[in-house]
Amino acid sequence: EIMMTQSPATLSVSPGERATLSCRASQRVSNNLAWYQQKPGQAPRLLIYGASTRATGIPARFSGSGSGTEFTLTISGLQSEDFAVYYCQQYNNWPRYTFGQGTKLEIK
Amino acid sequence: QVQLVESGGGVVQPGRSLTLSCAASGFTFSTYAMHWVRQAPGKGLQWVAVMWSDGVNKDYADSVKGRFTISRDNSKSTVYLQMNSLRPEDTAVYYCARDGVVVSGVPTDCWGQGTLVTVSS
Repeated sequence: EIMMTQSPATLSVSPGERATLSCRASQRVSNNLAWYQQKPGQAPRLLIYGASTRATGIPARFSGSGSGTEFTLTISGLQSEDFAVYYCQQYNNWPRYTFGQGTKLEIK
Repeated sequence: QVQLVESGGGVVQPGRSLTLSCAASGFTFSTYAMHWVRQAPGKGLQWVAVMWSDGVNKDYADSVKGRFTISRDNSKSTVYLQMNSLRPEDTAVYYCARDGVVVSGVPTDCWGQGTLVTVSS
């Protein structure tokens, strides 16, 4: 099983600033990496797939990068609605998906 | 619009069974693989099971293999998760999700709102 490790567990950032979230895979997953946002009481929402492609309707302030085992989600100009929990997911081992444990992005 | 609606959750005693349903609309259901993903209270996301679009091939997480069965009825645009021999650690919100990797290269891009399963005596 491919293990996904996210860091940090909690990230405190002020509105308007930039947040950088990391995700590491236990083995190479090419660019088969997705990012999701989840707010309390809601289902996850797909933000990024293919490591760097924004999903439909996702604002340009969300960007993804990386390949192989190291990936980054960057959120520029944080807005109040961006404070949430973010998960990475590998789908290289399709369809046996694995998720990271999540990073909680909180207001500083 | 694309929509997934889960139902069937509730409180069940350990060792008992429960069947979840997920009704799809707004897309060609028979074209997509469908997943169940769960989230224990206050925890992260855990993949549970998947059924290919062909309605034949399926796969399970080790933690539920032999106890849970995924199935689908393409004529009803519905995917099911039959859960037997339930354990307290199966307590979670269960989401169904559409998989578009084969169709468009996009993974789980649509999720239902989830249904809560609580296993407790």
